Amino acid sequence: AQTVTQSQPEMSVQEAETVTLSCTYDTSESDYYLFWYKQPPSRQMILVIRQEAYKQQNATENRFSVNFQKAAKSFSLKISDSQLGDAAMYFCAYRSTNTGNQFYFGTGTSLTVIP
Amino acid sequence: EAGVAQSPRYKIIEKRQSVAFWCNPISGHATLYWYQQILGQGPKLLIQFQNNGVVDDSQLPKDRFSAERLKGVDSTLKIQPAKLEDSAVYLCASSWGGPSYEQYFGPGTRLTVT
Repeated sequence: AQTVTQSQPEMSVQEAETVTLSCTYDTSESDYYLFWYKQPPSRQMILVIRQEAYKQQNATENRFSVNFQKAAKSFSLKISDSQLGDAAMYFCAYRSTNTGNQFYFGTGTSLTVIP
Repeated sequence: EAGVAQSPRYKIIEKRQSVAFWCNPISGHATLYWYQQILGQGPKLLIQFQNNGVVDDSQLPKDRFSAERLKGVDSTLKIQPAKLEDSAVYLCASSWGGPSYEQYFGPGTRLTVT
């Protein structure tokens, strides 16, 4: 089974600064999808950004961008110009393209934004 | 479009009691997931449905947990009897059928077993 590892349980960033959250995964598949989800305190999980493994270009969504290194099986999230509303748990997720298209989640990184 | 609906939002029961959670996915979404999220951890998949068939239930404790998705729409997850370690948030999510589609999550049901 695929595994997703987030080695940073907690991170903090000064407001308006940039922070990078790390994620690595283990798979033998060549085609898959990667996601970053955000879970604010006591609020539901929402999608931040998605990356297709067959695309070499890194995905970007406004202040959020990823650094996807397929050979290294690394998928980090960069948040630029951090805002107070970015404070949340961030989960990295891997979606298989095999039968069932299962999702596998990491253990999460708690991001604190310091005013 | 309406999001994923879950009820109840909160539930407190005593150990050995039964409890049921309900989920209504986004209209048209073929795939429905139930996750268990223990405080401070990532979501753990309990069961995944494709329409009304089970795709993966390998991590569902089948001696006490059961789930069904009638007519490929709404789903219920039941725990009977509950244990203290079942205290968690139970998340329902849905997505379109293909692998490129993200999941949309409901607000979750916070279960406390005393």
